[in-house]
Amino acid sequence: SQQGEEDPQALSIQEGENATMNCSYKTSINNLQWYRQNSGRGLVHLILIRSNEREKHSGRLRVTLDTSKKSSSLLITASRAADTASYFCATDHPTGANNLFFGTGTRLTVIP
Amino acid sequence: DTGVSQNPRHKITKRGQNVTFRCDPISEHNRLYWYRQTLGQGPEFLTYFQNEAQLEKSRLLSDRFSAERPKGSFSTLEIQRTEQGDSAMYLCASSPIAQGRAKNIQYFGAGTRLSVL
Repeated sequence: SQQGEEDPQALSIQEGENATMNCSYKTSINNLQWYRQNSGRGLVHLILIRSNEREKHSGRLRVTLDTSKKSSSLLITASRAADTASYFCATDHPTGANNLFFGTGTRLTVIP
Repeated sequence: DTGVSQNPRHKITKRGQNVTFRCDPISEHNRLYWYRQTLGQGPEFLTYFQNEAQLEKSRLLSDRFSAERPKGSFSTLEIQRTEQGDSAMYLCASSPIAQGRAKNIQYFGAGTRLSVL
């Protein structure tokens, strides 16, 4: 299976702190995405980073990608209670297959 | 609402019954995907349509599962002779073809939660 793994599985922080989540995957990729899922809801795309990029920013989000280590990290700065959700990394397949391979997710709880 | 719509939101059925779920993608999206998600796990790919053509199927999609997208718009996923192991959230996603090969940003519906008793 190409499904990746997120680390940690669960993270609990105080509002205003930064949250860092890590993702590892198994094969080469074209790009890596991060998605967010509120409890019982669908996934929402947050940010995409291409395989030739090392870092990308979007608002309070910062994503890094290390293709040599097959790993990525998502940093959420100045967290808010509304950031409480599960976060998943998703990779594609270098052959161009259209499905995404999702990691196991990190459950983030931001305490007000 | 112009997002991906899934119906029903919840389905409770008895083992052995057939169930059908519907997905209405974002109207201009050519690509449609079905995923299954069990508790505490990430979504797992089931099948993919480009317009009305079913182009990819996962090995997870057993003979009891069938998906259609007859007019290239909405899609249905049917599970025949349901088993308790089919209990999961079934997610539908869509994406436009115009993103290009290097991108595959998908837009998800809220899912259908299936409970097989």
